[in-house]
Amino acid sequence: QVHLQESGPGLVKPSQTLSLTCTVSGGSISSGDYYWSWIRQPPGKGLEWIGYIYYTGSTYYNPSLKSRVTISVDTSKTQFSLRLSSVTAADTAVYYCAREGVTMIVYAFDVWGQGTMVTVSS
Amino acid sequence: QSALTQPASVSGSPGQSITISCTGTSSDFETYNLVSWYQQHPGKAPKLMIYEGTKRPSGVSNRFSGSKSGNTASLTISGLQAEDEADYYCCSSAGPRVFGGGTKLTVL
Repeated sequence: QVHLQESGPGLVKPSQTLSLTCTVSGGSISSGDYYWSWIRQPPGKGLEWIGYIYYTGSTYYNPSLKSRVTISVDTSKTQFSLRLSSVTAADTAVYYCAREGVTMIVYAFDVWGQGTMVTVSS
Repeated sequence: QSALTQPASVSGSPGQSITISCTGTSSDFETYNLVSWYQQHPGKAPKLMIYEGTKRPSGVSNRFSGSKSGNTASLTISGLQAEDEADYYCCSSAGPRVFGGGTKLTVL
């Protein structure tokens, strides 16, 4: 059973860069059957897709965040990571990593991490 | 990129059926049935309930069903149970992934 786990600082200062890592266990990140995504949810609000990475390193970002987002993958560590630059209080949210199917359960997020709360504050 | 509109809230009594709508604005949303639905209980990660508009993942109750007509997708829950009370989100994967604003389901 595939399991996703987010990790990273829970507090980031304004204007700095938010960095999170998602560790994939119980399955391969290099199978080619999935996109690996980041999704966030501000407190009391809805879900917002940030972007995804494929095991080849190709990426697809939310146009509204594209200028500040970088998603990378380390297949040797079965991890993928998120960097969000120039953060403000509006970036305070629970950040989830999730798996999206390419060949099975296509174009839907079928496995999610538990989420990690990141607060942007000085 | 489609904006997706959901009702803020719906309610129903145990045993009844309810439907949550999700209306998209883009032609890609209307053309491709790449809508998924998620259930989220407070403090928990979302759970996939429906994908490709009408398909149920293994383990999801058949009380949950999805449909789509034109630019509106719908999630129907039949035989409402107390445990169905949660927030529900639609998502379109026709282009950049976009989530609806979410619908709070109250079981009376």
